[in-house]
Amino acid sequence: SQTIHQWPATLVQPVGSPLSLECTVEGTSNPNLYWYRQAAGRGLQLLFYSVGIGQISSEVPQNLSASRPQDRQFILSSKKLLLSDSGFYLCAWRSGSSGANVLTFGAGSRLTVL
Amino acid sequence: GQSLEQPSEVTAVEGAIVQINCTYQTSGFYGLSWYQQHDGGAPTFLSYNALDGLEETGRFSSFLSRSDSYGYLLLQELQMKDSASYFCAVRGGNNRKLIWGLGTSLAVNP
Repeated sequence: SQTIHQWPATLVQPVGSPLSLECTVEGTSNPNLYWYRQAAGRGLQLLFYSVGIGQISSEVPQNLSASRPQDRQFILSSKKLLLSDSGFYLCAWRSGSSGANVLTFGAGSRLTVL
Repeated sequence: GQSLEQPSEVTAVEGAIVQINCTYQTSGFYGLSWYQQHDGGAPTFLSYNALDGLEETGRFSSFLSRSDSYGYLLLQELQMKDSASYFCAVRGGNNRKLIWGLGTSLAVNP
């Protein structure tokens, strides 16, 4: 069965510090991968998506970046965090062979920037 | 532009039936999905409608009317554990990306 792992689960970072969130998927190959952010009490904002190794599409211009060094690994990074980067970050995958609208999410990473 | 509208909050009692509506405006349409999210958790997929009509999965059903750009999620025999946020999402636009509503917070009271 397919599983998605995301870490760390929680982190508190000072303004200006770097960030690295990691997501890996097991049990599937060539998945479409996504990074979303959710502010408290709000909907989901798509940040990046990737259809393959090294292929990254950015949805919102900001100080975040994403990389996909391996087929089932997706990393979200920042060189210098801002207060506005606080939120709940969710990685998700959609198999190319699955139903068009089914996303499976990781457990999420809750980031607080102080 | 592309947008989805759903109520921000709904309250119901245990055992009751509740309907959460979703209207959408997109330049193209490739299906309507519903996701459930408990506080502090990640969204989980509930249902998907690509064609008009009703899809039933246990206590949950989802309906779609493409001519009205409208769908709803129906939750029957409500339980306390159904208290959560429910998001509708539409795959639409020229790039077929998933567009999300802002979510409906459902509170089930005893």
